[in-house]
Amino acid sequence: EPEVTQTPSHQVTQMGQEVILRCVPISNHLYFYWYRQILGQKVEFLVSFYNNEISEKSEIFDDQFSVERPDGSNFTLKIRSTKLEDSAMYFCASRYRTPSSGANVLTFGAGSRLTVL
Amino acid sequence: ILNVEQSPQSLHVQEGDSTNFTCSFPSSNFYALHWYRWETAKSPEALFVMTLNGDEKKKGRISATLNTKEGYSYLYIKGSQPEDSATYLCALYNAGNMLTFGGGTRLMVKP
Repeated sequence: EPEVTQTPSHQVTQMGQEVILRCVPISNHLYFYWYRQILGQKVEFLVSFYNNEISEKSEIFDDQFSVERPDGSNFTLKIRSTKLEDSAMYFCASRYRTPSSGANVLTFGAGSRLTVL
Repeated sequence: ILNVEQSPQSLHVQEGDSTNFTCSFPSSNFYALHWYRWETAKSPEALFVMTLNGDEKKKGRISATLNTKEGYSYLYIKGSQPEDSATYLCALYNAGNMLTFGGGTRLMVKP
């Protein structure tokens, strides 16, 4: 079964460093997302991406964050200057439309755990 | 900001017990409700997507119901098995093209 893959599975970085998290969505999906979960908190929406541009973003997704689809397969999340509070599990997801119901099911990757020291 | 709540936060049951948990959400501007099963170190796995008031869906021993008028969904597991141990997440999908998640119910099934 097709899956969304994310790398790295765990990254430890120093505060102020740039981090790039990578995702390979399912090939025929059209919409891509980043979510995150800070330990002990709810999973939060960061950004959605369609047709090579951001379609929605949350308040969390400030100027320190950016997303790209550089080569038509990878979908990346960059954090320019990491802060302690960026420590979280970051999930990539991609979306298709189920033929029967029309509902928009998201397929998630296993996550990249970011630890900022 | 949409508020999606799940209860209980965690649940311990014995193998063979049936169990259920709740997801509550704002009933206005409803589009769909998703249920995910999330095992540690794995991807959250979609269980159900529910769109219509009164929907009931079933997958093996797991089923879900939806009441959009009062803003809740129940997830039922019949005859829990140790492999059902996971965190069960519900998420509201609205016209804003994003999922708003509840805090999850962590289920632990003891053999």
